[in-house]
Amino acid sequence: KAGVTQTPRYLIKTRGQQVTLSCSPISGHRSVSWYQQTPGQGLQFLFEYFSETQRNKGNFPGRFSGRQFSNSRSEMNVSTLELGDSALYLCASSLGAGAISDTQYFGPGTRLTVL
Amino acid sequence: AQKVTQAQTEISVVEKEDVTLDCVYETRDTTYYLFWYKQPPSGELVFLIRRNSFDEQNEISGRYSWNFQKSTSSFNFTITASQVVDSAVYFCALSEDNFNKFYFGSGTKLNVKP
Repeated sequence: KAGVTQTPRYLIKTRGQQVTLSCSPISGHRSVSWYQQTPGQGLQFLFEYFSETQRNKGNFPGRFSGRQFSNSRSEMNVSTLELGDSALYLCASSLGAGAISDTQYFGPGTRLTVL
Repeated sequence: AQKVTQAQTEISVVEKEDVTLDCVYETRDTTYYLFWYKQPPSGELVFLIRRNSFDEQNEISGRYSWNFQKSTSSFNFTITASQVVDSAVYFCALSEDNFNKFYFGSGTKLNVKP
């Protein structure tokens, strides 16, 4: 079974631009979560989607948004990029069917650099 | 307050040594889940283990073992006879039964030297 895939793997943007990252979950998984990883803040939860609905959200500004499609693929968008948005963005998928914490399987990440 | 604390920032051992990575968590929930992930230089987080709060039985998987103690809110990870391929950053994570929102520790970088 194919793992979680993320595209693109690397991105370079300038301040003020916006960016869209994509995540395809493991087949059969309906929950997709996004995390930001930086050397200073570590791994931080952004949001989680299940059946096209955002179920949970971390403490990030509104510039960070996401969505999920009917095939469970997910995108996250960051608008008005700031230097501090430079990070590794990780997507994780899980079955997500119940109100319990499933094991999350992570993709390879998208490395975003903001200049 | 940090929900998951990994006090060891970096550990260096020589191959074949045993090493224990510490994880201390904080939660008021009675139902919660604990995880360990490995992050090699490639960046992808690799799942190692999941435990729920009602199962304190220790687990062994090959050279890996985990010690879960609710009394001390700890979930420690031991690698026996370490190998160079074990070199990575290891993360402990907590989920409080709220739809897959994980709290990660800051990670412990393990260097295994030949």
